[in-house]
Amino acid sequence: GAVVSQHPSRVICKSGTSVKIECRSLDFQATTMFWYRQFPKQSLMLMATSNEGSKATYEQGVEKDKFLINHASLTLSTLTVTSAHPEDSSFYICSARSLPSPLHFGNGTRLTVT
Amino acid sequence: SQELEQSPQSLIVQEGKNLTINCTSSKTLYGLYWYKQKYGEGLIFLMMLQKGGEEKSHEKITAKLDEKKQQSSLHITASQPSHAGIYLCGADPTGNTPLVFGKGTRLSVIA
Repeated sequence: GAVVSQHPSRVICKSGTSVKIECRSLDFQATTMFWYRQFPKQSLMLMATSNEGSKATYEQGVEKDKFLINHASLTLSTLTVTSAHPEDSSFYICSARSLPSPLHFGNGTRLTVT
Repeated sequence: SQELEQSPQSLIVQEGKNLTINCTSSKTLYGLYWYKQKYGEGLIFLMMLQKGGEEKSHEKITAKLDEKKQQSSLHITASQPSHAGIYLCGADPTGNTPLVFGKGTRLSVIA
C-alpha cells in the first residue's frame, strides 16, 4: 500500500537555527501533501497544503515566513522551520494521498528547540 | 467550518471488554476516516467510510457511518492491550481536501 516517509523522526536544535523536515511518498506520486502540527495531548492541526510546482496554501494563523514549504517534486515536500524558538517545539506530521486512496501519514517529526 | 466532536476523550477498559468511540460532525461529510496513533508516532490508517449506512470491519474493529453521513462509531470487540492508543476520526468535507480531525480518544486496556 501507499507509504509516506518522514525524516528526521526526532531533532533537537538550538534557538535561532533552522530545521528542515522531509516528507516523501514512496510508491506513488502526490501532487498535494498536507502538513499538520500536534501539541501534546491535542489533535492534529492543519498548517498548510503543499502543492507541487506552486506555492503552499497556509492556514490562518500560520506564519509563512516561519514555516517554509517547498514541494519540488511529485514525491517530496519539505517543511523548514526558520529561526526556531522553543515555542516551535512540537510534533510535525505530513500526509499525502493518491486519489482515490485514503490519506496516509508519515511517522512524524518531534522537534525540540532548546 | 467543519467541526468534529469525538467522545469519550479517554477510556479505560479491561482486557476482553467491548468498547465504542463516537465521532459527530456538524456537517454532512464526503468521507470519514479513522486512524490510530501511538503517542509520539504517526497515524495508522484504520478505515474510510464514504457511503451513508456503510459499515466496515477489520479484525476486531468495526466502523459505521450513519445514513446522514454525520455520525460515525468505532467499535472494538474483545479489546486487547495492542488496541491501546489514541483513536482519531478525520472528516473529509469534499473528497479532495485536507482532513479535519477530532480531538481523539485515548484508549487504555488493562489486563
